[in-house]
Amino acid sequence: AQTVTQSQPEMSVQEAETVTLSCTYDTSESDYYLFWYKQPPSRQMILVIRQEAYKQQNATENRFSVNFQKAAKSFSLKISDSQLGDAAMYFCAYRSGFRTSGTYKYIFGTGTRLKVLA
Amino acid sequence: SQTIHQWPATLVQPVGSPLSLECTVEGTSNPNLYWYRQAAGRGLQLLFYSVGIGQISSEVPQNLSASRPQDRQFILSSKKLLLSDSGFYLCAWREAGGANVLTFGAGSRLTVL
Repeated sequence: AQTVTQSQPEMSVQEAETVTLSCTYDTSESDYYLFWYKQPPSRQMILVIRQEAYKQQNATENRFSVNFQKAAKSFSLKISDSQLGDAAMYFCAYRSGFRTSGTYKYIFGTGTRLKVLA
Repeated sequence: SQTIHQWPATLVQPVGSPLSLECTVEGTSNPNLYWYRQAAGRGLQLLFYSVGIGQISSEVPQNLSASRPQDRQFILSSKKLLLSDSGFYLCAWREAGGANVLTFGAGSRLTVL
């Protein structure tokens, strides 16, 4: 079974600085997607960024970028120029290959709480 | 545009009472639907998912059940709640055959006393 591990329960970053959140996963599949979701205090889950496993190029979305190391099964999130609004819980997620049940499974890590210091 | 609704937003129930959480999606047809539970320190735990009316896949054997009586409606139920059922429940959907992104509802906070 696939697993997603986030080994940093909590991280802090100074405003305007850069922070990297770690994520590793375990799978025997070759076709999958990886995601980072943000959960602010409102608890609404918001997609931050996604990466297709077949793409070697790392995904970027404005101040957010990933370092995808497929062989190492590592998928870290870098937040540049951190802002107070970035303070949230961040979840790494893995989308499995197609299942006989007719869809995909999405497996989430335990999350990293990011604090942004003014 | 597509929207997803969950209710109730907050629920306080005694142990042994029944539960019904509802999720509906608007603006799409035949969505894949998911129920997750978020407990402190445990991330999001996949409970059930569904690809169509009456089709439910269960990930965690427990006293919860799910049903999909209509194409865009997904219901999480329990006949008798346990203290351990307390948590934050999230419904999510993805477009069948479309983008791989999961879109979440606002969640339902359940406290069992």
